[in-house]
Amino acid sequence: EAQVTQNPRYLITVTGKKLTVTCSQNMNHEYMSWYRQDPGLGLRQIYYSMNVEVTDKGDVPEGYKVSRKEKRNFPLILESPSPNQTSLYFCASSKGRGYEQYFGPGTRLTVT
Amino acid sequence: LAKTTQPISMDSYEGQEVNITCSHNNIATNDYITWYQQFPSQGPRFIIQGYKTKVTNEVASLFIPADRKSSTLSLPRVSLSDTAVYYCPGMDTGRRALTFGSGTRLQVQP
Repeated sequence: EAQVTQNPRYLITVTGKKLTVTCSQNMNHEYMSWYRQDPGLGLRQIYYSMNVEVTDKGDVPEGYKVSRKEKRNFPLILESPSPNQTSLYFCASSKGRGYEQYFGPGTRLTVT
Repeated sequence: LAKTTQPISMDSYEGQEVNITCSHNNIATNDYITWYQQFPSQGPRFIIQGYKTKVTNEVASLFIPADRKSSTLSLPRVSLSDTAVYYCPGMDTGRRALTFGSGTRLQVQP
C-alpha cells in the first residue's frame, strides 16, 4: 500500500530536549516536505527536499533541521525545541512539482 | 507566489450539492489546479486535479473557466462524512511547493 508514515504520532517533551520526527515513504517519490499546522494559520511549509541531499527552506524553517540521505526518508529535527513549536506536523511526498501530494498521518508535538 | 482565496466556511445539509469556489489570480500557465480535503487530526487528502474545463471523478467535479483565474469544487449530494476542510492550494513556483491557506470549513448538517 502506498503510504507516508510518521513516528511518533504523539510526543510531549520539554524545552531544549532534542528530538527527531521520522518520515518515510514507499512510493519512490523525489519530492518530500514538512508542514506545520496551527489553528487559524493553515498549513505552512517548514522544509522541502527535491531529491537525495537536496533540501531547502520553506516558509517557517527557524528552529528546525532536516536531512535527506535516502530517497525514502526525510526526518525533521528539533535540536532545542521551544513551546512555540507546539504544533501538528505533517510530512508529505510527491513525484514532483504539480503532482498529487501524499500526506502522512501527522505528529502532534507538545513542548512544555 | 500564486496565492489563492476561498471562503472561510460554508454550511450545507445532507443531500444538497455544495460548490466551493477558489480564486487563482496569479496561477502560472503550466500549473494544474488541485483540491484537497482534510478531516480533523488527519493529513490532507488529494481530491481532484484539473487544468481547464471540467473534470469529474467518483468524489467530486471540478470546473475551471477558460481564463483559469478561478475554480469551483462541486460535491454532489453531500453527507455528514463530507464535513471537513477543503483546500485549493496555490503553487510557489520557486520552491515548487504547494501553499495552503486556511481552507474552507464545510459543515454538513443532518
